Amino acid sequence: QSALTQPRSVSGSPGQSVTISCTGTSSDVGGYNYVSWYQQHPGKAPKLMIYDVSKRPSGVPDRFSGSKSGNTASLTISGLQAEDEADYYCCSYAGSYTFEVFGTGTKVTVL
Amino acid sequence: QVQLQESGPGLVKPSETLSLTCAVSGYSISSGYYWGWIRQPPGKGLEWIGSIYHSGSTYYNPSLKSRVTISVDTSKNQFSLKLSSVTAADTAVYYCARDFSGWGFYNYWGQGTLVTVSS
Repeated sequence: QSALTQPRSVSGSPGQSVTISCTGTSSDVGGYNYVSWYQQHPGKAPKLMIYDVSKRPSGVPDRFSGSKSGNTASLTISGLQAEDEADYYCCSYAGSYTFEVFGTGTKVTVL
Repeated sequence: QVQLQESGPGLVKPSETLSLTCAVSGYSISSGYYWGWIRQPPGKGLEWIGSIYHSGSTYYNPSLKSRVTISVDTSKNQFSLKLSSVTAADTAVYYCARDFSGWGFYNYWGQGTLVTVSS
């Protein structure tokens, strides 16, 4: 099972919006609505930002939103802030043999 | 507040077995949820290793399945990872985490522990 494909990096100025894509197959992203997104600052553990494609855990700002179309999921950060600069990983359920697969990761830079 | 803490040797020799334990506080493992291990090689992305349900059912990454064993000790409120026949490619930060769904939604994580495979 290959990792889900994410762009290596995206960037934006404070206040702008950025979108990170996560491309898989019909066996993972496209086959289930079990996509999650994690934020990871350097030297820190990942933090759950989105689950079930578009749900936000308590405490996650509503600037973070998720969506899915076909085999591609997306994370959008609106009103970009300096503290949003981090690595972001998607994750998808991939069935009862592979179970879970992470994306390749995207570095978000706030200009 | 739920807290997870990994522990184990930071250095393992090639061909030996890597053993880590995750101590859980603030929640009883026997009460439910899935408990997983995820690793991250230096400068690289996350890789799911496997998970265990509170009842003891296990789920492993197919690419690691032949070398991985995850177990739970409810009396000590901890779960463990064993990875056999390690090579330098197994050098990584190893995280333990709680999955509240069984679909890979990890809402509590340990701080991570670096394990280096080297002679």
